[in-house]
Amino acid sequence: DAKTTQPPSMDCAEGRAANLLCNHSTISGNEYVYWYRQIHSQGPQYIIHGLKNNETNEMASLIITEDRKSSTLILPHATLRDTAVYYCIVRGDNNNDMRFGAGTRLTVKP
Amino acid sequence: ETGVTQTPRHLVMGMTNKKSLKCEQHLGHNAMYWYKQSAKKPLELMFVYNFKEQTENNSVPSRFSPECPNSSHLFLHLHTLQPEDSALYLCASSQGGQNDQPQHFGDGTRLSIL
Repeated sequence: DAKTTQPPSMDCAEGRAANLLCNHSTISGNEYVYWYRQIHSQGPQYIIHGLKNNETNEMASLIITEDRKSSTLILPHATLRDTAVYYCIVRGDNNNDMRFGAGTRLTVKP
Repeated sequence: ETGVTQTPRHLVMGMTNKKSLKCEQHLGHNAMYWYKQSAKKPLELMFVYNFKEQTENNSVPSRFSPECPNSSHLFLHLHTLQPEDSALYLCASSQGGQNDQPQHFGDGTRLSIL
């Protein structure tokens, strides 16, 4: 029961902003949007999460549309180390299961 | 460094062996999780522990046996595994099981069954 859809891949030039899109049109009012990334041979790395408001931390910004049906993760100045698979996850109450889909493979190029 | 340490990072074992995977978290969390990540498949939640008590077991075969002696440590005991059990086993922890608390993952144990 995929609750999110993401483009399978995208490229970004080093130093430019990377904008990763996620559609979650069936999201419920109490469900959070999470973003993780996974670099080869490592575990998933938590990036950011939000409910309704836009969020920013030292890694990224999360923009959630007013209707909450989609969100965008922004890496403001992508580096080669940001090359990874990025996962958008919708997580509801009492839901321990982080349901990772196929994600978006971001390739940052010099 | 995520604050969640898994050992060993790699493990090769025969189908008749018994081994254990270890996870330790240094984040002061009280919930811990085991996930399985097979090639080309999404993460599969296996077990959940809250305050050392198992709260979820997602129909995992009995050849996988978890143990949570305290809130900082989690083990996965393995015995009589099958080739299809070869995968990356990930441990995660969080502050409670609420959906506004992110789970933080270790780098996993890459398990190969001969």
